[in-house]
Formats: sequence, C-alpha cells, structure tokens
Amino acid sequence: DAKTTQPPSMDCAEGRAANLPCNHSTISGNEYVYWYRQIHSQGPQYIIHGLKNNETNEMASLIITEDRKSSTLILPHATLRDTAVYYCIVRSYMNNNAGNMLTFGGGTRLMVKP
Amino acid sequence: DGGITQSPKYLFRKEGQNVTLSCEQNLNHDAMYWYRQDPGQGLRLIYYSQIVNDFQKGDIAEGYSVSREKKESFPLTVTSAQKNPTAFYLCASSIGAGIYGYTFGSGTRLTVV
Repeated sequence: DAKTTQPPSMDCAEGRAANLPCNHSTISGNEYVYWYRQIHSQGPQYIIHGLKNNETNEMASLIITEDRKSSTLILPHATLRDTAVYYCIVRSYMNNNAGNMLTFGGGTRLMVKP
Repeated sequence: DGGITQSPKYLFRKEGQNVTLSCEQNLNHDAMYWYRQDPGQGLRLIYYSQIVNDFQKGDIAEGYSVSREKKESFPLTVTSAQKNPTAFYLCASSIGAGIYGYTFGSGTRLTVV
C-alpha cells in the first residue's frame, strides 16, 4: 500500500473550516484514500473514503487532486469535539482480501480552539 | 443498535499470566481485526479473520493468539510470551474486506503489573 505523509499537528479556530492535507504520491490506480479519526482513548472512527472523485457526507468532504497524489479532508465548521488525531490511509482492494489491511501511521493531531 | 463491544475497558495482569480480551459484534460483519496501539503511536495489526474458523497473522502476532469459532466473536489472548504487553488494544470489524470502512470498538487498556 502507498505510504502517506501528514503534518504532525494543526490548529483550527472553532466554527472555521479545518483543512487537513495528505500526500500519497506513490498511490496506484486501484488504491482508495480513507480518513479516520481517533479521539483520545477511544477507537478510531471512519469518516470518509474515495477513489478519484471528490466525496461528501454528513461529517466531511474529501478532495482528491486530479493526479491523485494528494488529498484534503475538510471539516466545514469545526467544533471542539472535532479535536482528535486524523489518519489518512491508502489501501488496495484487489482480490477482496482483508489482508490488505489498514495501515495507520502517525496522523495529524488537530486541535480546535475556542 | 448494532455495534462492536470490547471488554473489559481496563485490565491489569501480573507478569507471567495469560489474559483474554473479548470482542463481540452484532453488525453481521464478515471480517474482524485486532490492533495494538502504544502511546503516541499509530495502530499495528496483530491478527485478522475474514471468515469463521480462519485467521491470519498480522505484523506483530508473536505472543498473541486468537480464535474465531463464531462470526460474532473474535477473542484475543495475550500470552506470557508477549514481552511488552502493556498497550491499548482495539478490535474492529468490516463488511467483506472493508471497502466501506472498519467499525472499531472502544478498546481495552491492558497494564502489566
């Protein structure tokens, strides 16, 4: 699976949009981009995923560049409860093999401030 | 509501003892996973199971054992052979290989005393 690079930490003002970047320059054509977040001492929570097109759900938007080498997770109106570590992961689903497991790196620690 | 339950939330173990962490899901998910997380670190895969009665080693399986006798349950045993067992343990499940994402439990924090 392609390796991802994320900034170790970011701050965001409450009510503003939080834009979390992720570089995955070695991504291949069959690899999806996933975002999870982990609030302190809890299990990670799935946020969103995409392959080529931009995606939006009730939690966030995912913007993937045309060359797919990077992506941005957008939390449109950050709240204090969005303070968490955000993980960007790329993963292949060839052969429907669960052994292509999620690989969690260090992530970005987002601090939302009042 | 459907979900994945890990118990207990906190567990203390004496050195040399085996201990079993419980993971139960009522999501009808096919695959289940165990991850370990150390302070300030990402998650590392211990074991995973795609179907009942079958499981595979992950990156750090040494000192751990699992079973998958029922679709709903995937217990993890931390054996005395695990040299550094103090960690936060997370169980997850997914539909198929997880293309729609994983659902995680709330974790078990194991401390060896």
